[in-house]
Amino acid sequence: EPEVTQTPSHQVTQMGQEVILRCVPISNHLYFYWYRQILGQKVEFLVSFYNNEISEKSEIFDDQFSVERPDGSNFTLKIRSTKLEDSAMYFCATRAGTQETQYFGPGTRLLVL
Amino acid sequence: AQKVTQAQTEISVVEKEDVTLDCVYETRDTTYYLFWYKQPPSGELVFLIRRNSFDEQNEISGRYSWNFQKSTSSFNFTITASQVVDSAVYFCALSEAMVIKAAGNKLTFGGGTRVLVKP
Repeated sequence: EPEVTQTPSHQVTQMGQEVILRCVPISNHLYFYWYRQILGQKVEFLVSFYNNEISEKSEIFDDQFSVERPDGSNFTLKIRSTKLEDSAMYFCATRAGTQETQYFGPGTRLLVL
Repeated sequence: AQKVTQAQTEISVVEKEDVTLDCVYETRDTTYYLFWYKQPPSGELVFLIRRNSFDEQNEISGRYSWNFQKSTSSFNFTITASQVVDSAVYFCALSEAMVIKAAGNKLTFGGGTRVLVKP
């Protein structure tokens, strides 16, 4: 069964450093999302992406964040200058054009020191 | 704005007992979708079930069943004959109808209910 994959599974970085989180969507999926989950808390929407542009973003998704699909396969989330409060699990989700269900990747656990 | 509330933060049961998880939602949309996701200790989010707002038929799928009541904005989920492997955090989520906002369709999650099934 096709799966969403994410790399890396874990990343530790110093405050102020840039990180790039990568997602490989299920092959026929057209809609892409990033969510985050701070430890022990609810899953929060960050951004949705379709047709090579952002469809919607939350107030969490400020100028430090960006997304792109550089090569038509990977879908990336970049945090330009990480803060301590960016420490969280980041989930990529994708869905097909004809379906309502979003399928999640296994997540990247980001720790900012 | 959409909101999902899961009032139960943690439920502890003994194996083979039934577990019912409550979910109450708020939305101004007339057409929407409701979901349950499972997050086992390994951390991934696993899709379990989906229900459309225009279909209030309640169903059973294996040991899972759900009770969708539009009149009370509730979407409760039951695990029958629980097993230790059911131990996880369960999230209820809501999204607007794909037709209305084809590109957006973000999920709004509840706070989750931790289920602990003891042998």
